[in-house]
Amino acid sequence: EVQLVESGGGLVQPGRSLKLSCVASGFTFSNYGMNWIRQAPGKGLEWVAYISSGSSYIYYAETVKGRFTISRDNAKNTLYLQMTSLRSEDTALYYCARERTGRVFDYWGQGVMVTVSS
Amino acid sequence: DVVLTQTPVSLLISLGGQASISCRSSQSLVHSNGNTYLHWYLQKPGQSPQLLIYQVSNRFSGIPDRFSGSGSGTDFTLKISRVEPEDLGVYYCLQRTHNPYTFGAGTKLELK
Repeated sequence: EVQLVESGGGLVQPGRSLKLSCVASGFTFSNYGMNWIRQAPGKGLEWVAYISSGSSYIYYAETVKGRFTISRDNAKNTLYLQMTSLRSEDTALYYCARERTGRVFDYWGQGVMVTVSS
Repeated sequence: DVVLTQTPVSLLISLGGQASISCRSSQSLVHSNGNTYLHWYLQKPGQSPQLLIYQVSNRFSGIPDRFSGSGSGTDFTLKISRVEPEDLGVYYCLQRTHNPYTFGAGTKLELK
């Protein structure tokens, strides 16, 4: 069974940093691209970042480029999102999602909440 | 960026009825490789989004044939026939053809 479990969220002050993790199980993690997607409270979905299976290709949404860094450790089956210079508008539920052939996010984690507030 | 416009914003449907959701793109979603990367998701209350349809018209594993997708180029449609209580939630389209990847704003399906 494919499982994605996010962690690392919490309350953080504007301008500070936070690192999210997503531990994968039930599939060969190193064979899949991975994504972070977020959802502000009561709002829709926003794609944040993508990393290919071997980390060769990385893309970001303009809203986070230069502040967020996506990475992965295939030996640990773990995806990361390092978030710096956090802003109130980064407050959201952050999901990690697996990407399969066909460029589709087929499995999502349960999400981890990040709240940026003083 | 590609803008996906979903209509309607909300739908009131009776149990057993049919729902139709439109997703229109600001530019063609046909990739240079010939594929169209337009997908549909359902987010049930309090849950993560779940994949329904990928690449316009392919049902994901375990999705009943009451769900069907169609369309091409810039116009796409998700149809739900014989609506059941577990179909309630917010439906999103997603395009993965152009970077950055973008979602529609969502269509909320509610029972009449």
